[in-house]
Amino acid sequence: GQNIDQPTEMTATEGAIVQINCTYQTSGFNGLFWYQQHAGEAPTFLSYNVLDGLEEKGRFSSFLSRSKGYSYLLLKELQMKDSASYLCAVIPGGGSYIPTFGRGTSLIVHP
Amino acid sequence: SAVISQKPSRDICQRGTSLTIQCQVDSQVTMMFWYRQQPGQSLTLIATANQGSEATYESGFVIDKFPISRPNLTFSTLTVSNMSPEDSSIYLCSARTGKTEAFFGQGTRLTVV
Repeated sequence: GQNIDQPTEMTATEGAIVQINCTYQTSGFNGLFWYQQHAGEAPTFLSYNVLDGLEEKGRFSSFLSRSKGYSYLLLKELQMKDSASYLCAVIPGGGSYIPTFGRGTSLIVHP
Repeated sequence: SAVISQKPSRDICQRGTSLTIQCQVDSQVTMMFWYRQQPGQSLTLIATANQGSEATYESGFVIDKFPISRPNLTFSTLTVSNMSPEDSSIYLCSARTGKTEAFFGQGTRLTVV
């Protein structure tokens, strides 16, 4: 089966940096997504990693290590609006390319 | 990218009734999916909607309870049949245009009373 682990909740201060970790154990690997989901809204796409290394996109960066089954999402210069749930999703091996989602990490940003 | 319109956005339904949720994508997509998200939980895949053929259901979900249609490459429906309070959840339509990104509709918040 597939197993994806993320911390349940994190808190941080406005203007700070926070790193949200995701570890996975899947049958094969075809990529990893990060999504942001505000309460009562649909998930919105943040990043996609399929090769090892860091992908930077503005204040958000995502890192992947396939050998370690590990990824993190780095949020810089935190803003209050970054308070949301962050979902890690992995595409396992095989031809379906259907992502399996972790439970999500609820990030609370304090002033 | 793709823009997905999902409706209704929310509904309150009586137990024993059925609700059909519609999902319209603004461009042709290769894959469409239906997810359920219960309070405080992550997304659980219900099924993959296949164009012109029966949907592919995940373990724990059956066609009689969640019939799905996908008559073309841009439209799909999910019906929640014979509803009970346990079906209260957010239902999300998702579409992929390639291997890299998956987009979501705004979700349907269903409450069964």
